[in-house]
Amino acid sequence: EPEVTQTPSHQVTQMGQEVILRCVPISNHLYFYWYRQILGQKVEFLVSFYNNEISEKSEIFDDQFSVERPDGSNFTLKIRSTKLEDSAMYFCASRRTGVSEQYFGPGTRLTVT
Amino acid sequence: QQQVKQSPQSLIVQKGGISIINCAYENTAFDYFPWYQQFPGKGPALLIAIRPDVSEKKEGRFTISFNKSAKQFSLHIMDSQPGDSATYFCAASKDDYKLSFGAGTTVTVRA
Repeated sequence: EPEVTQTPSHQVTQMGQEVILRCVPISNHLYFYWYRQILGQKVEFLVSFYNNEISEKSEIFDDQFSVERPDGSNFTLKIRSTKLEDSAMYFCASRRTGVSEQYFGPGTRLTVT
Repeated sequence: QQQVKQSPQSLIVQKGGISIINCAYENTAFDYFPWYQQFPGKGPALLIAIRPDVSEKKEGRFTISFNKSAKQFSLHIMDSQPGDSATYFCAASKDDYKLSFGAGTTVTVRA
Protein backbone atom coordinates (compact mmCIF):
# COMPACT_ATOMS: atom_id res chain seq x y z
CA GLU A 1 0.00 0.00 0.00
CA PRO A 2 1.45 3.41 -0.95
CA GLU A 3 2.59 5.57 1.94
CA VAL A 4 3.74 9.11 2.57
CA THR A 5 7.38 9.07 3.57
CA GLN A 6 9.36 11.75 5.40
CA THR A 7 13.03 12.37 6.05
CA PRO A 8 14.78 12.76 8.33
CA SER A 9 12.92 11.09 11.17
CA HIS A 10 14.70 13.34 13.68
CA GLN A 11 16.54 16.58 13.12
CA VAL A 12 18.45 18.48 15.77
CA THR A 13 19.48 22.00 14.93
CA GLN A 14 20.69 25.10 16.65
CA MET A 15 18.56 28.20 16.98
CA GLY A 16 18.95 30.45 13.96
CA GLN A 17 19.91 27.65 11.58
CA GLU A 18 17.97 26.72 8.45
CA VAL A 19 16.34 23.31 8.19
CA ILE A 20 14.68 21.53 5.30
CA LEU A 21 12.19 18.78 5.99
CA ARG A 22 11.47 16.41 3.14
CA CYS A 23 8.37 14.50 2.16
CA VAL A 24 7.52 12.12 -0.63
CA PRO A 25 3.72 12.15 -1.03
CA ILE A 26 1.76 9.23 -2.44
CA SER A 27 2.47 9.14 -6.15
CA ASN A 28 -0.97 9.92 -7.61
CA HIS A 29 -1.79 12.59 -5.03
CA LEU A 30 -1.72 16.22 -6.12
CA TYR A 31 -2.62 18.04 -2.91
CA PHE A 32 -0.02 18.37 -0.21
CA TYR A 33 -0.07 19.62 3.35
CA TRP A 34 2.22 20.32 6.26
CA TYR A 35 0.99 20.07 9.83
CA ARG A 36 2.86 20.31 13.08
CA GLN A 37 2.31 18.86 16.53
CA ILE A 38 4.03 20.36 19.53
CA LEU A 39 4.67 17.66 22.14
CA GLY A 40 1.47 16.72 23.91
CA GLN A 41 -0.68 19.10 21.89
CA LYS A 42 -3.03 18.76 18.96
CA VAL A 43 -2.07 18.63 15.33
CA GLU A 44 -2.13 22.08 13.70
CA PHE A 45 -2.44 22.99 10.05
CA LEU A 46 0.48 24.92 8.56
CA VAL A 47 0.03 25.09 4.79
CA SER A 48 -1.64 23.49 1.81
CA PHE A 49 -0.08 23.27 -1.64
CA TYR A 50 -1.45 22.49 -5.07
CA ASN A 51 -0.25 23.05 -8.62
CA ASN A 52 3.03 24.54 -7.40
CA GLU A 53 1.29 27.17 -5.34
CA ILE A 54 0.32 27.67 -1.74
CA SER A 55 -3.46 27.27 -1.48
CA GLU A 56 -3.79 28.35 2.11
CA LYS A 57 -1.54 28.98 5.08
CA SER A 58 -2.13 29.42 8.77
CA GLU A 59 -0.94 32.28 10.93
CA ILE A 60 1.82 29.97 12.15
CA PHE A 61 3.26 29.86 8.63
CA ASP A 62 5.08 33.18 8.68
CA ASP A 63 7.90 34.50 6.51
CA GLN A 64 10.36 32.08 8.10
CA PHE A 65 8.57 29.16 6.47
CA SER A 66 8.47 28.19 2.82
CA VAL A 67 7.40 25.14 0.83
CA GLU A 68 8.55 23.83 -2.47
CA ARG A 69 8.01 20.93 -4.83
CA PRO A 70 11.50 20.80 -6.32
CA ASP A 71 10.79 17.81 -8.55
CA GLY A 72 8.02 15.37 -9.39
CA SER A 73 8.22 13.44 -6.16
CA ASN A 74 9.48 15.57 -3.27
CA PHE A 75 7.69 18.20 -1.22
CA THR A 76 9.78 20.23 1.20
CA LEU A 77 9.25 22.53 4.16
CA LYS A 78 12.01 25.02 4.88
CA ILE A 79 12.40 26.97 8.07
CA ARG A 80 14.87 29.77 7.43
CA SER A 81 15.94 30.70 10.93
CA THR A 82 14.73 28.24 13.52
CA LYS A 83 13.47 29.29 16.92
CA LEU A 84 13.16 27.23 20.08
CA GLU A 85 9.38 27.24 19.68
CA ASP A 86 9.69 25.54 16.28
CA SER A 87 10.52 22.31 18.13
CA ALA A 88 7.72 19.95 17.18
CA MET A 89 6.75 16.97 15.07
CA TYR A 90 6.15 18.02 11.49
CA PHE A 91 3.80 15.89 9.44
CA CYS A 92 3.37 15.88 5.71
CA ALA A 93 0.04 14.74 4.28
CA SER A 94 -1.33 14.25 0.80
CA ARG A 95 -4.63 13.50 -0.89
CA ARG A 96 -6.02 12.69 -4.31
CA THR A 97 -8.09 15.02 -6.41
CA GLY A 98 -11.78 14.89 -5.58
CA VAL A 99 -11.54 13.08 -2.24
CA SER A 100 -11.21 14.40 1.29
CA GLU A 101 -9.06 11.66 2.81
CA GLN A 102 -5.61 12.89 3.79
CA TYR A 103 -2.84 10.42 4.45
CA PHE A 104 -0.09 11.40 6.85
CA GLY A 105 3.56 10.54 6.88
CA PRO A 106 5.38 9.30 9.99
CA GLY A 107 6.66 12.78 10.79
CA THR A 108 9.98 14.52 11.42
CA ARG A 109 10.81 15.39 14.97
CA LEU A 110 12.53 18.76 14.93
CA THR A 111 14.48 19.73 18.02
CA VAL A 112 15.84 23.27 18.16
CA THR A 113 18.49 23.84 20.83
CA GLN B 1 -10.40 29.91 18.21
CA GLN B 2 -10.96 26.26 19.04
CA GLN B 3 -13.06 24.98 16.19
CA VAL B 4 -13.22 21.36 17.34
CA LYS B 5 -13.50 20.44 21.01
CA GLN B 6 -12.75 16.88 22.06
CA SER B 7 -13.40 15.03 25.29
CA PRO B 8 -12.34 13.28 27.41
CA GLN B 9 -8.63 13.99 27.46
CA SER B 10 -7.97 10.40 28.45
CA LEU B 11 -9.87 7.25 29.28
CA ILE B 12 -9.15 3.79 30.57
CA VAL B 13 -11.28 0.86 29.52
CA GLN B 14 -11.13 -2.84 30.23
CA LYS B 15 -10.50 -5.28 27.42
CA GLY B 16 -13.80 -6.01 25.73
CA GLY B 17 -15.36 -2.76 26.88
CA ILE B 18 -16.61 0.20 24.88
CA SER B 19 -14.58 3.39 24.45
CA ILE B 20 -16.52 6.55 23.63
CA ILE B 21 -14.90 9.78 22.54
CA ASN B 22 -16.90 12.92 21.86
CA CYS B 23 -16.29 15.93 19.67
CA ALA B 24 -18.18 19.15 19.11
CA TYR B 25 -17.63 21.63 16.31
CA GLU B 26 -18.53 25.25 15.77
CA ASN B 27 -18.28 25.86 12.05
CA THR B 28 -21.45 24.75 10.29
CA ALA B 29 -19.57 24.82 6.97
CA PHE B 30 -17.63 21.70 8.00
CA ASP B 31 -18.71 18.79 5.85
CA TYR B 32 -16.13 16.08 6.49
CA PHE B 33 -15.37 14.54 9.88
CA PRO B 34 -12.52 12.02 10.10
CA TRP B 35 -11.05 10.25 13.07
CA TYR B 36 -7.35 9.55 13.24
CA GLN B 37 -5.47 7.05 15.39
CA GLN B 38 -1.94 7.87 16.48
CA PHE B 39 0.58 5.61 18.17
CA PRO B 40 3.58 7.14 19.97
CA GLY B 41 6.21 8.38 17.53
CA LYS B 42 3.99 7.75 14.51
CA GLY B 43 1.90 9.90 12.23
CA PRO B 44 -1.89 10.07 12.49
CA ALA B 45 -3.54 7.21 10.60
CA LEU B 46 -6.99 7.67 9.11
CA LEU B 47 -9.40 5.39 10.93
CA ILE B 48 -12.90 6.25 9.78
CA ALA B 49 -14.72 9.31 8.46
CA ILE B 50 -18.28 10.56 8.04
CA ARG B 51 -20.17 13.26 6.19
CA PRO B 52 -23.20 15.13 7.61
CA ASP B 53 -25.71 13.38 5.33
CA VAL B 54 -25.56 10.21 7.45
CA SER B 55 -26.05 9.81 11.20
CA GLU B 56 -23.90 6.75 11.70
CA LYS B 57 -21.08 4.89 10.01
CA LYS B 58 -19.60 1.60 11.11
CA GLU B 59 -16.37 -0.06 10.08
CA GLY B 60 -15.56 -3.20 12.01
CA ARG B 61 -15.39 -2.35 15.70
CA PHE B 62 -15.34 1.41 15.06
CA THR B 63 -18.54 3.46 14.76
CA ILE B 64 -19.02 7.18 14.23
CA SER B 65 -22.29 8.71 15.43
CA PHE B 66 -23.11 12.13 14.01
CA ASN B 67 -25.66 14.66 15.29
CA LYS B 68 -25.86 17.57 12.87
CA SER B 69 -28.33 19.64 14.87
CA ALA B 70 -26.18 19.41 17.99
CA LYS B 71 -22.96 19.85 15.99
CA GLN B 72 -21.50 16.81 17.70
CA PHE B 73 -19.97 13.55 16.62
CA SER B 74 -18.49 10.66 18.51
CA LEU B 75 -16.32 7.60 18.05
CA HIS B 76 -17.30 4.32 19.63
CA ILE B 77 -14.73 1.54 19.87
CA MET B 78 -16.52 -1.71 20.56
CA ASP B 79 -14.85 -4.74 22.13
CA SER B 80 -11.77 -2.65 22.92
CA GLN B 81 -8.46 -4.49 22.62
CA PRO B 82 -5.02 -3.68 24.08
CA GLY B 83 -3.85 -2.93 20.54
CA ASP B 84 -6.38 -0.09 20.43
CA SER B 85 -4.38 1.77 23.07
CA ALA B 86 -3.45 4.97 21.25
CA THR B 87 -4.33 8.64 20.97
CA TYR B 88 -7.44 9.38 18.92
CA PHE B 89 -8.04 12.70 17.22
CA CYS B 90 -11.26 13.91 15.74
CA ALA B 91 -11.00 16.45 12.96
CA ALA B 92 -13.18 18.46 10.62
CA SER B 93 -12.79 20.22 7.32
CA LYS B 94 -14.80 22.05 4.72
CA ASP B 95 -14.23 22.55 1.05
CA ASP B 96 -10.76 23.95 1.64
CA TYR B 97 -9.83 20.50 2.93
CA LYS B 98 -7.52 21.78 5.70
CA LEU B 99 -8.12 19.73 8.80
CA SER B 100 -8.95 21.27 12.17
CA PHE B 101 -8.07 18.76 14.85
CA GLY B 102 -9.42 18.20 18.32
CA ALA B 103 -7.04 18.05 21.25
CA GLY B 104 -6.86 14.25 21.27
CA THR B 105 -7.93 11.48 23.63
CA THR B 106 -5.47 8.96 25.00
CA VAL B 107 -7.16 5.58 25.26
CA THR B 108 -5.67 2.88 27.44
CA VAL B 109 -7.14 -0.61 27.21
CA ARG B 110 -6.35 -2.78 30.23
CA ALA B 111 -6.04 -6.49 29.64
